[in-house]
Amino acid sequence: SQQGEEDPQALSIQEGENATMNCSYKTSINNLQWYRQNSGRGLVHLILIRSNEREKHSGRLRVTLDTSKKSSSLLITASRAADTASYFCATRAFPQGGSEKLVFGKGTKLTVNP
Amino acid sequence: KAGVTQTPRYLIKTRGQQVTLSCSPISGHRSVSWYQQTPGQGLQFLFEYFSETQRNKGNFPGRFSGRQFSNSRSEMNVSTLELGDSALYLCASSPGLGRGSTGELFFGEGSRLTVL
Repeated sequence: SQQGEEDPQALSIQEGENATMNCSYKTSINNLQWYRQNSGRGLVHLILIRSNEREKHSGRLRVTLDTSKKSSSLLITASRAADTASYFCATRAFPQGGSEKLVFGKGTKLTVNP
Repeated sequence: KAGVTQTPRYLIKTRGQQVTLSCSPISGHRSVSWYQQTPGQGLQFLFEYFSETQRNKGNFPGRFSGRQFSNSRSEMNVSTLELGDSALYLCASSPGLGRGSTGELFFGEGSRLTVL
């Protein structure tokens, strides 16, 4: 089953507004990553937050992590039309007896209207 | 540095046929992972290879197989294609896995398979 679940599934905002996406996961993690995917293209890594970190910034991106609630949020400030894409959270799970693998949620589809 | 290259980008097959997809990772990367992406199931992990060894496998039937060569290039094969195999197949590479690595993945543009 999916490790991460994003919320909302779709989000539509106006240019200049902030966009917030949430991710919940089920098991203990080593780190949580956010990726972006433009329609039909490959995924691009945006930001990584380790399990011992609570907040991280990168340009217009701000990620928070609450391990007690098993949740993370991605905030995109001052959004632009070019931010229109799907955003996925991904977690490193540690399956018993297996190596690490990256498990993705179903994503939030963000539309930024000019 | 060249990115992850996947070939072919698009292909159309009919039920019962087989298909082989290729992935060339970023130079120096030794780990290659494969994912299947469909609108209904999202991104599903297929398998991961490191130094020619399969390190992890997702919950897919035996019709899905893969391998990695000594130069880290990887192929995946799907035999006896079914309509439900229509998907975007994504390959991702990383330097390698270990407790000290972050596990950030670098994705190719994908191979879009349509099964008729």
